[in-house]
Order: sequence, then C-alpha cells, then structure tokens
Amino acid sequence: DIQMTQSPSSLSASVGDRVTITCRASQSVSRYLNWFQQKPGKAPELLIYLASGLQSGVASRFSGSGSGTDFALTISSLQPEDYATYYCQQSYTTPPTFGQGTKVEIE
Amino acid sequence: EVQLLESGGGLVQPGGSLRLSCAASGFTFSNSAMSWVRQAPGKGLEWVSAISGSDVTTYYANSVKGRFTISRDNSENMLYLQMNSLRAEDTALYYCAKSGSGWYRLDFWGQGTLVTVSS
Repeated sequence: DIQMTQSPSSLSASVGDRVTITCRASQSVSRYLNWFQQKPGKAPELLIYLASGLQSGVASRFSGSGSGTDFALTISSLQPEDYATYYCQQSYTTPPTFGQGTKVEIE
Repeated sequence: EVQLLESGGGLVQPGGSLRLSCAASGFTFSNSAMSWVRQAPGKGLEWVSAISGSDVTTYYANSVKGRFTISRDNSENMLYLQMNSLRAEDTALYYCAKSGSGWYRLDFWGQGTLVTVSS
C-alpha cells in the first residue's frame, strides 16, 4: 500500500494567515492526489482533486500543488470557517490511502 | 441535490454481523462508483471497500477482505455493506461516498452510521 504522510500533524494560525500543509507519498502517485476538509462532527468534504483542481463550490483561497510524491495544500488567507482537520488521499491505486490528518487550530 | 443517507449501524458483539445501507438520491446512481470509508473514534479516515457503477467490480481493504461484502441495487439507488465476523477494531463511523470521476475522487459523503463492536 502507498503510505501518505502529512506535515505538520497540527498547527495554530490566526485569521488572515497563509497556511500550507504538505503531503508526501511513499511512491509516485502522479497527480492523483485529493484534499479533504473535515469539521468536527461532520463528514469530509472534497476541496481539491487531481492535485490542483478546485472542487465546485470551494472557496478560491484554497489551492493545491505538486506531483509525483510531494504535494501541498495552501490556504491563502485563513478564515474562521477553515478551522478543521485536513486529509490528503491518493487515488492512484487500490487501496486508496489517506494521510493521518492535519488539525488547523486557532492561535 | 445529492443526498447519501446511511443506516443500519448499532451495537453488536464480537463475531456478530451487521448490514449497513446507504440510500442515494440527486444523481445518476448507476453511473457512479461508490465506496465505504470508516473513521474510528478520534482517528483518521480508512477506506474499506468500493464497487463499480455496474456492480461488476469490487475492491476491499485487506483488513476486511473475506469478512465484508459490498453490493448495490441500482434499481433502488441503494448501496450496502454486509459485515460479518465483526471485531472490536471494526468500531467506527462508516461513511458511504460517491465517486465524481474514476474510482476514488470521493466528491460527496453521507453523514455516517456508527458501528460499535463490544461485548
């Protein structure tokens, strides 16, 4: 199975900050990398697909980059509603695997 | 509006069985691969199983292979997960999710149904 490793596991940031979360795959997944946001008590929501595609309805302050084994999710200006846990997921091969999550908290 | 509504969770003893259901609406169900993904309390996401839109192809995580069976009824827009020989480590919130493209671009998730395996 492909292992997905996110950094950091948690971070504290203020409203308006630029936030970057990284995700590394144990082998190349090309651009088959998705990002999800999960708020407490809620189901995950797809933010980014194929490394940099913005899912319909998702705010433009979210962006994704990378290919191969190294990827990043960037929030250009953190908003109060962005406090959540973020997961990367490779969809390159079965089984699809998730990173361990990055919890974004209020500073 | 896409809707996925899971049901069938509950408390079951180790070794027992449970059948989860997911009622889908708001999209062409038969055109979408579907997955079950679980989340143990306080933990991350773990993919469990997937099925093609045509019901021909299925995949399972190694942790559930031989114990769980995924199926679907396209005439009723229903997805199922039959879980047998349940273990304590199967305790989790189980989500059904639809694929927007390919197998694993999971673009919509239900709210989940909780399965607790305990004596």
